[in-house]
Parts: sequence; structure tokens; C-alpha cells
Amino acid sequence: AQSVSQHNHHVILSEAASLELGCNYSYGGTVNLFWYVQYPGQHLQLLLKYFSGDPLVKGIKGFEAEFIKSKFSFNLRKPSVQWSDTAEYFCAVNAVDSSYKLIFGSGTRLLVRP
Amino acid sequence: NAGVMQNPRHLVRRRGQEARLRCSPMKGHSHVYWYRQLPEEGLKFMVYLQKENIIDESGMPKERFSAEFPKEGPSILRIQQVVRGDSAAYFCASSPQGQQNTEAFFGQGTRLTVV
Repeated sequence: AQSVSQHNHHVILSEAASLELGCNYSYGGTVNLFWYVQYPGQHLQLLLKYFSGDPLVKGIKGFEAEFIKSKFSFNLRKPSVQWSDTAEYFCAVNAVDSSYKLIFGSGTRLLVRP
Repeated sequence: NAGVMQNPRHLVRRRGQEARLRCSPMKGHSHVYWYRQLPEEGLKFMVYLQKENIIDESGMPKERFSAEFPKEGPSILRIQQVVRGDSAAYFCASSPQGQQNTEAFFGQGTRLTVV
């Protein structure tokens, strides 16, 4: 069965610090990969996605993620966080051959201190 | 173009009552997905529907839960005889086609509290 692990449940950073959130998945086949963000009281928004091609994906708001197939990882990075990045971040996967189901990690709550 | 609209945003029900959660997909989207988020957990897939069809309900509890997406109107997730363990955030997502190489757009969720 597919699963997604996010290793850090809570992260606290100061503004301008660099961010890396880990995401590993288990599935032997071809996958699509996503990072979603949920700001307090708002809906899930797509930060970035990987379907194929360049494994380094750039998303909105200065975020990027790198797909390392050999490590089954899709870590999210941002070189310098802002207070407004305080949110919960979810990594998600769907298997190309079963298409529609997104399998989510348990989320990482990021708090950025001004 | 309005996003995915869910209502109500918050719903409080007493044990044994029924809960109805509504989801209007984005304009032009004919595929709807429901997910449940329990406290301190990630979202879990419940059901995938197209207009008038349930495609996959493998994530739905076998009893008390049902979903529909009629030809006209919103998708409805119905929970009968709610129990405290049903308290969760329920998210709806929609896509223009089956989610293969497309993204799904999420609503703001309905937070159900069973007292």
C-alpha cells in the first residue's frame, strides 16, 4: 500500500531562516507528487507539483522541491522564510496507474517567528 | 471563477443526528473527491464521484456514510447517526477530469463537531 511520511510534525523558525521539510513515500511505480499548504482558516492550496521532467520543481511564493527517485523523496525547500509562511504543509502522492486518489502525509506545522 | 465551495464551514451535531455536508465543484469540473482529516492526521481519501456515479468509495466507512453527486446541484456527503468519532474536517476537491496529470482544487472544508 502507498504511504507518505513527513518526518517533522512541528517546525519553528525565525524569519530569514532556511526551510527544508522532508517527505518520503512508499510506492514502487510511477507517481505524481504534490505539496499543499493550508494557511490558518483557509483551504488547501497547491504549492507545487511534479509529474515528469526536471526533478527540481519551482512553485509559488519562492518554494521549490526536488524529486529524488532513488530515495523516494520529495523535500520542500525555501531559502528564506517569512512570517507569512506560517501554515501547515502537506506532501501528497498519487500513483499514476491508480490516478485519482491522493495519499497525504500527516502534515508539518510551520511557525515562523518575526 | 469561484473556487470549490463547501458549506457549512462549521457544523455542530448531537450524537445520533444526521450531518449533511455540501460541495459545489469549480465551474466545468465534473469530478469530485471527498477527504476526511482527523485531528493531528493527514487527509484520508473517502470517495470519488462523477456526475450521478460513484467511482470509488473504498475509503468510506461501510455504515452510516453515503455520498452522491446528482446531475444538478452540489455533491452531498451524508453521515447518519453521528458519533463523537465522526468529528473531523471534511474536505471536498474537484478536477475537470480524472486526476491523472491534473491537479485537484480543494474547498475550505467543513468542520464537523459531534457533541
